[in-house]
Amino acid sequence: DGGITQSPKYLFRKEGQNVTLSCEQNLNHDAMYWYRQDPGQGLRLIYYSQIVNDFQKGDIAEGYSVSREKKESFPLTVTSAQKNPTAFYLCASSIGLAPSTDTQYFGPGTRLTVL
Amino acid sequence: GQQVMQIPQYQHVQEGEDFTTYCNSSTTLSNIQWYKQRPGGHPVFLIQLVKSGEVKKQKRLTFQFGEAKKNSSLHITATQTTDVGTYFCAGPGFSSGSARQLTFGSGTQLTVLP
Repeated sequence: DGGITQSPKYLFRKEGQNVTLSCEQNLNHDAMYWYRQDPGQGLRLIYYSQIVNDFQKGDIAEGYSVSREKKESFPLTVTSAQKNPTAFYLCASSIGLAPSTDTQYFGPGTRLTVL
Repeated sequence: GQQVMQIPQYQHVQEGEDFTTYCNSSTTLSNIQWYKQRPGGHPVFLIQLVKSGEVKKQKRLTFQFGEAKKNSSLHITATQTTDVGTYFCAGPGFSSGSARQLTFGSGTQLTVLP
Protein backbone atom coordinates (compact mmCIF):
# COMPACT_ATOMS: atom_id res chain seq x y z
CA ASP A 1 0.00 0.00 0.00
CA GLY A 2 1.85 3.07 -1.29
CA GLY A 3 1.68 6.43 0.38
CA ILE A 4 3.02 8.87 2.90
CA THR A 5 2.85 8.28 6.61
CA GLN A 6 3.23 10.77 9.38
CA SER A 7 3.29 9.96 13.02
CA PRO A 8 1.95 10.63 15.48
CA LYS A 9 -1.38 12.19 14.47
CA TYR A 10 -1.48 14.30 17.65
CA LEU A 11 1.55 15.44 19.62
CA PHE A 12 1.78 17.41 22.82
CA ARG A 13 4.97 18.99 24.10
CA LYS A 14 6.00 21.38 26.79
CA GLU A 15 7.32 24.77 25.85
CA GLY A 16 11.09 24.78 25.43
CA GLN A 17 11.36 21.18 24.24
CA ASN A 18 12.50 20.16 20.81
CA VAL A 19 10.23 17.71 19.02
CA THR A 20 10.74 15.66 15.86
CA LEU A 21 7.92 14.84 13.47
CA SER A 22 8.37 11.85 11.23
CA CYS A 23 7.51 11.56 7.55
CA GLU A 24 8.00 8.41 5.49
CA GLN A 25 7.05 7.70 1.88
CA ASN A 26 7.22 4.56 -0.22
CA LEU A 27 6.26 6.22 -3.50
CA ASN A 28 9.90 6.36 -4.65
CA HIS A 29 9.60 10.13 -4.91
CA ASP A 30 12.72 12.27 -5.01
CA ALA A 31 11.20 15.47 -3.61
CA MET A 32 9.75 15.93 -0.16
CA TYR A 33 8.24 18.95 1.58
CA TRP A 34 7.14 20.19 4.96
CA TYR A 35 4.28 22.65 5.31
CA ARG A 36 2.72 24.38 8.24
CA GLN A 37 -1.02 25.12 8.33
CA ASP A 38 -2.62 27.41 10.87
CA PRO A 39 -6.41 27.49 11.42
CA GLY A 40 -8.26 28.97 8.47
CA GLN A 41 -5.06 29.56 6.55
CA GLY A 42 -3.24 28.11 3.61
CA LEU A 43 -0.08 26.06 3.48
CA ARG A 44 3.26 27.68 4.16
CA LEU A 45 6.45 25.94 3.06
CA ILE A 46 8.97 25.26 5.82
CA TYR A 47 11.63 23.15 4.10
CA TYR A 48 11.93 21.07 0.98
CA SER A 49 14.34 18.51 -0.36
CA GLN A 50 14.78 17.55 -3.99
CA ILE A 51 17.38 14.87 -3.44
CA VAL A 52 18.93 12.84 -0.65
CA ASN A 53 21.42 14.75 1.50
CA ASP A 54 20.20 18.10 0.21
CA PHE A 55 17.45 20.41 1.41
CA GLN A 56 16.47 24.05 1.11
CA LYS A 57 14.71 26.57 3.32
CA GLY A 58 11.19 27.52 2.45
CA ASP A 59 9.34 30.67 3.45
CA ILE A 60 9.19 30.04 7.21
CA ALA A 61 12.26 27.94 8.08
CA GLU A 62 13.26 29.81 11.24
CA GLY A 63 13.01 27.59 14.32
CA TYR A 64 12.87 24.37 12.29
CA SER A 65 15.47 21.88 11.07
CA VAL A 66 15.34 18.86 8.76
CA SER A 67 17.49 16.02 7.50
CA ARG A 68 17.29 13.84 4.41
CA GLU A 69 19.58 10.89 4.97
CA LYS A 70 17.31 8.45 3.12
CA LYS A 71 15.09 8.91 0.12
CA GLU A 72 12.09 7.60 2.04
CA SER A 73 12.42 9.78 5.12
CA PHE A 74 12.30 13.53 5.79
CA PRO A 75 11.96 14.23 9.52
CA LEU A 76 11.22 17.74 10.79
CA THR A 77 12.47 19.02 14.14
CA VAL A 78 10.57 21.85 15.74
CA THR A 79 13.09 23.54 17.98
CA SER A 80 12.57 25.65 21.07
CA ALA A 81 13.53 28.66 18.94
CA GLN A 82 10.21 28.42 17.06
CA LYS A 83 8.13 31.08 18.76
CA ASN A 84 4.69 29.77 17.94
CA PRO A 85 4.98 26.06 17.16
CA THR A 86 1.38 24.98 17.75
CA ALA A 87 0.03 24.14 14.29
CA PHE A 88 -0.91 21.39 11.86
CA TYR A 89 2.18 20.05 10.07
CA LEU A 90 1.85 18.42 6.67
CA CYS A 91 4.48 16.44 4.84
CA ALA A 92 4.25 15.96 1.09
CA SER A 93 6.22 14.34 -1.68
CA SER A 94 6.40 14.60 -5.45
CA ILE A 95 8.15 12.76 -8.20
CA GLY A 96 10.76 15.52 -8.32
CA LEU A 97 10.99 16.24 -12.03
CA ALA A 98 9.88 19.85 -11.64
CA PRO A 99 8.81 20.96 -8.15
CA SER A 100 6.74 23.88 -9.42
CA THR A 101 4.62 21.63 -11.63
CA ASP A 102 4.70 18.21 -9.99
CA THR A 103 1.60 16.95 -8.26
CA GLN A 104 2.13 16.76 -4.52
CA TYR A 105 0.93 13.89 -2.37
CA PHE A 106 0.27 14.69 1.25
CA GLY A 107 0.51 12.67 4.42
CA PRO A 108 -2.28 12.72 7.01
CA GLY A 109 -0.53 15.42 9.06
CA THR A 110 0.58 15.84 12.66
CA ARG A 111 -1.24 18.25 14.92
CA LEU A 112 1.33 19.66 17.35
CA THR A 113 0.26 21.42 20.50
CA VAL A 114 2.85 23.08 22.68
CA LEU A 115 1.68 23.69 26.22
CA GLY B 1 7.61 36.81 -4.21
CA GLN B 2 4.94 35.25 -6.36
CA GLN B 3 1.54 35.29 -4.72
CA VAL B 4 -1.49 33.30 -5.66
CA MET B 5 -4.59 35.04 -4.33
CA GLN B 6 -7.79 33.12 -3.78
CA ILE B 7 -11.32 34.38 -3.15
CA PRO B 8 -13.64 34.13 -1.37
CA GLN B 9 -12.11 32.97 1.89
CA TYR B 10 -15.40 31.46 3.09
CA GLN B 11 -18.58 30.43 1.31
CA HIS B 12 -21.77 29.03 2.76
CA VAL B 13 -24.27 27.55 0.33
CA GLN B 14 -27.51 25.67 0.60
CA GLU B 15 -27.30 22.11 -0.68
CA GLY B 16 -28.12 22.12 -4.37
CA GLU B 17 -26.76 25.62 -5.00
CA ASP B 18 -23.72 26.25 -7.14
CA PHE B 19 -20.33 27.34 -5.83
CA THR B 20 -17.33 29.05 -7.43
CA THR B 21 -13.88 29.88 -6.13
CA TYR B 22 -11.39 32.05 -7.96
CA CYS B 23 -7.62 32.09 -8.05
CA ASN B 24 -5.64 35.09 -9.33
CA SER B 25 -1.97 35.70 -10.01
CA SER B 26 -0.15 38.90 -10.92
CA THR B 27 2.10 36.98 -13.30
CA THR B 28 1.59 34.32 -15.92
CA LEU B 29 1.50 30.80 -14.56
CA SER B 30 2.91 27.80 -16.37
CA ASN B 31 0.30 25.64 -14.68
CA ILE B 32 -2.22 25.70 -11.89
CA GLN B 33 -3.30 22.88 -9.61
CA TRP B 34 -6.36 22.45 -7.42
CA TYR B 35 -6.51 20.52 -4.16
CA LYS B 36 -9.31 19.70 -1.73
CA GLN B 37 -8.90 19.34 2.01
CA ARG B 38 -11.77 17.80 3.95
CA PRO B 39 -12.25 19.00 7.55
CA GLY B 40 -9.57 17.40 9.71
CA GLY B 41 -7.92 15.87 6.65
CA HIS B 42 -5.06 16.56 4.32
CA PRO B 43 -4.99 18.19 0.87
CA VAL B 44 -5.76 15.84 -1.99
CA PHE B 45 -4.89 16.65 -5.59
CA LEU B 46 -7.88 17.27 -7.86
CA ILE B 47 -6.54 18.48 -11.18
CA GLN B 48 -3.82 20.34 -13.07
CA LEU B 49 -4.39 22.87 -15.87
CA VAL B 50 -1.58 23.86 -18.21
CA LYS B 51 -3.08 25.31 -21.41
CA SER B 52 -4.42 28.80 -21.97
CA GLY B 53 -8.23 28.74 -21.83
CA GLU B 54 -8.29 25.11 -20.74
CA VAL B 55 -11.50 23.71 -19.28
CA LYS B 56 -11.67 20.36 -17.53
CA LYS B 57 -14.62 18.64 -15.89
CA GLN B 58 -14.86 16.06 -13.15
CA LYS B 59 -18.51 15.16 -12.70
CA ARG B 60 -20.04 18.27 -11.07
CA LEU B 61 -16.71 20.12 -10.88
CA THR B 62 -15.56 22.40 -13.70
CA PHE B 63 -12.06 23.85 -13.72
CA GLN B 64 -10.99 26.72 -15.96
CA PHE B 65 -7.63 28.31 -16.73
CA GLY B 66 -7.80 31.87 -18.05
CA GLU B 67 -6.70 32.88 -21.50
CA ALA B 68 -3.83 34.91 -20.08
CA LYS B 69 -2.93 32.07 -17.67
CA LYS B 70 -3.17 34.45 -14.74
CA ASN B 71 -6.39 33.22 -13.22
CA SER B 72 -8.35 30.07 -12.68
CA SER B 73 -11.69 29.03 -11.27
CA LEU B 74 -13.35 25.98 -9.80
CA HIS B 75 -17.11 25.73 -10.17
CA ILE B 76 -19.25 23.11 -8.45
CA THR B 77 -22.74 22.55 -9.80
CA ALA B 78 -25.51 21.54 -7.40
CA THR B 79 -23.40 21.20 -4.28
CA GLN B 80 -23.74 18.21 -2.01
CA THR B 81 -22.70 17.75 1.61
CA THR B 82 -19.78 15.67 0.40
CA ASP B 83 -18.35 18.82 -1.22
CA VAL B 84 -17.64 20.35 2.20
CA GLY B 85 -14.01 21.28 2.69
CA THR B 86 -11.36 23.80 1.76
CA TYR B 87 -10.35 24.17 -1.88
CA PHE B 88 -6.83 25.38 -2.63
CA CYS B 89 -5.29 26.50 -5.85
CA ALA B 90 -1.52 26.23 -6.26
CA GLY B 91 0.84 27.68 -8.80
CA PRO B 92 4.57 28.16 -9.32
CA GLY B 93 6.17 30.67 -7.02
CA PHE B 94 9.47 31.56 -5.45
CA SER B 95 10.28 30.48 -1.96
CA SER B 96 13.04 31.89 0.19
CA GLY B 97 15.34 29.29 -1.29
CA SER B 98 14.94 30.97 -4.70
CA ALA B 99 14.03 27.81 -6.57
CA ARG B 100 10.55 27.75 -7.99
CA GLN B 101 8.13 25.81 -5.84
CA LEU B 102 4.43 25.26 -5.72
CA THR B 103 2.77 28.14 -3.86
CA PHE B 104 -0.64 27.55 -2.36
CA GLY B 105 -3.44 30.07 -2.21
CA SER B 106 -5.11 30.73 1.13
CA GLY B 107 -8.02 28.50 0.22
CA THR B 108 -11.81 28.81 0.09
CA GLN B 109 -13.63 27.06 2.88
CA LEU B 110 -16.94 25.69 1.62
CA THR B 111 -19.81 24.89 3.96
CA VAL B 112 -22.87 23.17 2.53
CA LEU B 113 -26.05 23.52 4.55
CA PRO B 114 -28.45 20.58 4.24
